[in-house]
Amino acid sequence: GIQVEQSPPDLILQEGANSTLRCNFSDSVNNLQWFHQNPWGQLINLFYIPSGTKQNGRLSATTVATERYSLLYISSSQTTDSGVYFCAVVNSGGYQKVTFGTGTKLQVIP
Amino acid sequence: DVKVTQSSRYLVKRTGEKVFLECVQDMDHENMFWYRQDPGLGLRLIYFSYDVKMKEKGDIPEGYSVSREKKERFSLILESASTNQTSMYLCASSLATNEKLFFGSGTQLSVL
Repeated sequence: GIQVEQSPPDLILQEGANSTLRCNFSDSVNNLQWFHQNPWGQLINLFYIPSGTKQNGRLSATTVATERYSLLYISSSQTTDSGVYFCAVVNSGGYQKVTFGTGTKLQVIP
Repeated sequence: DVKVTQSSRYLVKRTGEKVFLECVQDMDHENMFWYRQDPGLGLRLIYFSYDVKMKEKGDIPEGYSVSREKKERFSLILESASTNQTSMYLCASSLATNEKLFFGSGTQLSVL
């Protein structure tokens, strides 16, 4: 099946700093989504981004499907950004199921 | 707003018990999913469903079954709970294939 790897696995930021999270996938995909899991376990859908670039406030995401990667940018980080960030893909083969990456655990300190 | 509701936030069961985890969505979504999340292993797909009475195995279906009698409800069943099924269980739904995925708040199941 498709492999999805995220980097870095862990990240500690000072409040106000910027960061880039990366998601690499091993096969062609039909869609890609980014999620934030807060410290209480709730997963929130941040972006649906099979290709191109999208922005939502301090967050933006870019997917380059031909090169099989996606990037999530966090600018001016806040303590509420802490948690785990996952990317998830649906492979473009015949068996369409959502596969999650390994996650990046982010801690933003005041 | 999209709403996916899981029946329990915390659940404690004994080994060998039959366990039902319920998930309800109010958005008329076609697809529903059950994942489990374990430290170091990420989210793994157990079962999913593309329509009423339809089910497909995910990556780790052993020891689980599912039921989807109505479009809005997707149940995960542990026929005989074992300690290695202690985990966080997450339900999700999407309008259709390749649409945005929405999650419930999760059920932390402990099997003693």
